[in-house]
Amino acid sequence: SQTIHQWPATLVQPVGSPLSLECTVEGTSNPNLYWYRQAAGRGLQLLFYSVGIGQISSEVPQNLSASRPQDRQFILSSKKLLLSDSGFYLCAWNGRANEQFFGPGTRLTVL
Amino acid sequence: ILNVEQSPQSLHVQEGDSTNFTCSFPSSNFYALHWYRWETAKSPEALFVMTLNGDEKKKGRISATLNTKEGYSYLYIKGSQPEDSATYLCAFIRAGTASKLTFGTGTRLQVTL
Repeated sequence: SQTIHQWPATLVQPVGSPLSLECTVEGTSNPNLYWYRQAAGRGLQLLFYSVGIGQISSEVPQNLSASRPQDRQFILSSKKLLLSDSGFYLCAWNGRANEQFFGPGTRLTVL
Repeated sequence: ILNVEQSPQSLHVQEGDSTNFTCSFPSSNFYALHWYRWETAKSPEALFVMTLNGDEKKKGRISATLNTKEGYSYLYIKGSQPEDSATYLCAFIRAGTASKLTFGTGTRLQVTL
C-alpha cells in the first residue's frame, strides 16, 4: 500500500534561518506530488506541484522553493524564513481519481 | 484566481441532528469536485470524488450532491455523532489544470452530546 512520510513533524525557526522540509512516498511510482500550506485562519493553499523528477510548478510567488531530486522525494526549502511562512505544511500525492493523499504534515513556527 | 467558497464557516450541532454544508465553485471548465474530512491532529482524508453533473455519492451517514451547471455541491450528514466533528473541505479541479486542486476554506463542524 502507498504511504507518505513527512518530517519533521514540528519545527520552530528564527526569522532569516533556512528551511528544508522533506516528503517521501512509498508504494507508487511517478506520482504527482504537491506541497500545500495552511496559514492561521486560512484554507489550504497549493504552493507547488510536480509531475516528475526535476519538474516543479509554482502556484504563488513567495519566499519558498521546491525540488524533486528523485521520483518519490519532494523537498520544500527556503533560504531565509519570514514570519509569514509560519503555518501547517502538507505534502500530498494524487490517486487514480486525482484524490489527494496527504502526509502527516509539518507545523512550522517562525519567531 | 478561482473562487471556491464554503458555507457556513462553522457549525455547532447536537448529537442526532442532521446538517448540510455548501460548496460553490466556478461553473465553467469543470473537471471534478472533491470533499475531504480533516480531523484535528490528523491529515485530510478524501470522502468523495465527484465528476458528473447530478452525481450523488453516499458513505454511511454522509452523502454529497453535485450541480456543475450552477456550480455548487452539498454535503449532508444524517444523525450527526461526536466523531463527525471535523473540518470539511471541498476542492475544485478545473479542466486542463493537471490535477491541481483549489480548496475552499472549509466548514468546521462540532457535534456535542
